[in-house]
Amino acid sequence: AQRVTQPEKLLSVFKGAPVELKCNYSYSGSPELFWYVQYSRQRLQLLLRHISRESIKGFTADLNKGETSFHLKKPFAQEEDSAMYYCALRSSGKTSYDKVIFGPGTSLSVIP
Amino acid sequence: DTGVSQDPRHKITKRGQNVTFRCDPISEHNRLYWYRQTLGQGPEFLTYFQNEAQLEKSRLLSDRFSAERPKGSFSTLEIQRTEQGDSAMYLCASSSLERLTGELFFGEGSRLTVL
Repeated sequence: AQRVTQPEKLLSVFKGAPVELKCNYSYSGSPELFWYVQYSRQRLQLLLRHISRESIKGFTADLNKGETSFHLKKPFAQEEDSAMYYCALRSSGKTSYDKVIFGPGTSLSVIP
Repeated sequence: DTGVSQDPRHKITKRGQNVTFRCDPISEHNRLYWYRQTLGQGPEFLTYFQNEAQLEKSRLLSDRFSAERPKGSFSTLEIQRTEQGDSAMYLCASSSLERLTGELFFGEGSRLTVL
């Protein structure tokens, strides 16, 4: 069964400090992992995908299949990074193809 | 196209009543998803569609919940005989298989309060 866990419900860091939001998953097939973000009073939106291996707003995430992790990192946090962050997994197998499930989320608060 | 839209944005109902939510996806998107979100939790998968075909329905979903996408465009989610535990934000999202990115585009959600 697919499962996404995010061990921290709340994370507070000072502006300029490094940030790491943890995500672990369980999936028997080849996963596609995403990070979604929800800023205050805005709808949920995609932040980045592991396949594209890109940096968005200074955030990066590396898929580690050995540790089944997809942690989100940013070297220097900014106040505008304060938001809810959700890790998501998309099925790629023949059954439940393209089904997307989400983790419980981490609320990031960047202290000025 | 203004993105995914959901209606109503807020619904207050009494226990035992039926409610229906509507989702209009981005026009060219063939995938449509429904999620439920309660306070402090992530979006919980309910069901999803490929055009008009319902591909999967969560086993956590009781028979009181039903979703349709009759013409492969808009979708409705109906909850019959609502219970207080149904109070939540109901999110709709759509995506395009052809674009291959897997990105989901979300609506603003429909908030249900069952008294």
